Formats: sequence, structure tokens, C-alpha cells
Amino acid sequence: DVKVTQSSRYLVKRTGEKVFLECVQDMDHENMFWYRQDPGLGLRLIYFSYDVKMKEKGDIPEGYSVSREKKERFSLILESASTNQTSMYLCASTRDSKLTYEQYFGPGTRLTVT
Amino acid sequence: AQKITQTQPGMFVQEKEAVTLDCTYDTSDPSYGLFWYKQPSSGEMIFLIYQGSYDQQNATEGRYSLNFQKARKSANLVISASQLGDSAMYFCAMRELFTPYSGAGSYQLTFGKGTKLSVIP
Repeated sequence: DVKVTQSSRYLVKRTGEKVFLECVQDMDHENMFWYRQDPGLGLRLIYFSYDVKMKEKGDIPEGYSVSREKKERFSLILESASTNQTSMYLCASTRDSKLTYEQYFGPGTRLTVT
Repeated sequence: AQKITQTQPGMFVQEKEAVTLDCTYDTSDPSYGLFWYKQPSSGEMIFLIYQGSYDQQNATEGRYSLNFQKARKSANLVISASQLGDSAMYFCAMRELFTPYSGAGSYQLTFGKGTKLSVIP
């Protein structure tokens, strides 16, 4: 089974703290994604990566950065957490193939910034 | 740009009955894929079913079927014989396929806002 894991299910941080959310996949997928999910807004893409050290901005990259030093690991960084970044964060991965369609998701990290 | 619209914020269905969750989409891409995901209260996103824009037949996976009407740009999910465990959020999503662009942006999924399904015993 494809497995995507995220470092924490629940996280509470203070405003201004630097926050790291880690995602690891064990299927050698080339592409990895970070989404943010808010009630009534669905999932919105923050950043994605198509290779080690390669990244592209998604729809809402402001206030976030990412790091991909190894193929299996994709980190989302909140440089200075703010209360409006309180949300559910979902990581996903998919193979680099036009014939493989679904994205596999991690369990999510519910982040609260106080 | 792609857009997914789910017009039903919440739905109720009696156990053992069928239910249809609506999804309409908008895209200028000639080739695209449509997905449905289920998200229980535990939070994980579970892939349910996929339909390619050039697939001749509607996709089916067990109790799930996708009612694909290309001309109307709709991709409704039909769940037959609802079970209590079907209570969850359901998201429709799409991505482009077979484009010249080889970057990961071509694998990006665009999601709708979701429909919360509640199954009543």
C-alpha cells in the first residue's frame, strides 16, 4: 500500500513561531503537494514539488515556504506563524506519469496558531 | 483555468437508499480527468473513483458510480445502498491530462468545496 505520513496530527503554536510540517511518502513518487483545507473553501494548493530541490507555487503560497532535500520528504515551513494560518494541512504525492491518476494523501495535520 | 462547483453543502440520505452528489466543472483543456474523494471525520482523503474525459463508459467502483455527462460538464457521484459509514465529506476534483507541459503543474488537482453527506439510520 502507498503510504503518506505526516509528522503530527495536531499541532498548537504561538503567533510568530517558525513551524515545520513534515511529509514522507514511501512509494518513490516524484510529485508531492501541500494543500490547506478550510471549511467552505475545499482544498487549496500551497506548493508542489516535482523533483528534489524543485518547487512551484500553488494558488496560495504567501506566508509559506517548502523544502525538498530528499525524494521521499517534503516539508512545509511557516516562517512566522499567524492566526490566519490555523487550518488543516494535507500532504499528497503522485507518480510522474500521465497514466497514473490519483493523488495519495496523508492523514493531515490540524494546526492551531494562538 | 479549471473550476469545480459542488452546489450542495450538505445532503441527507436514508440508509440503504441511493444518493447523487452533484459536481459541475469548467475547463478549456481538451483532455482531463475527474476524481471523487471521501473524507471521513478522521481527516484522511480516500480516493473513490476516476473518470477520464475520453472514456466512453461511466466509471464504476463497487457501490460508487460516476454519472459523466460531457456536454453538460457534469460528473455526479452516485452512491447506491447507502451505509452509515458513508457519512463524510465528499470532494470532486479534476486535473488536465496529456498536455505538452511536463511540469508537476499538470498533475495539480483542482478541488470543489465539498458536500457533507449524512446517512440517517
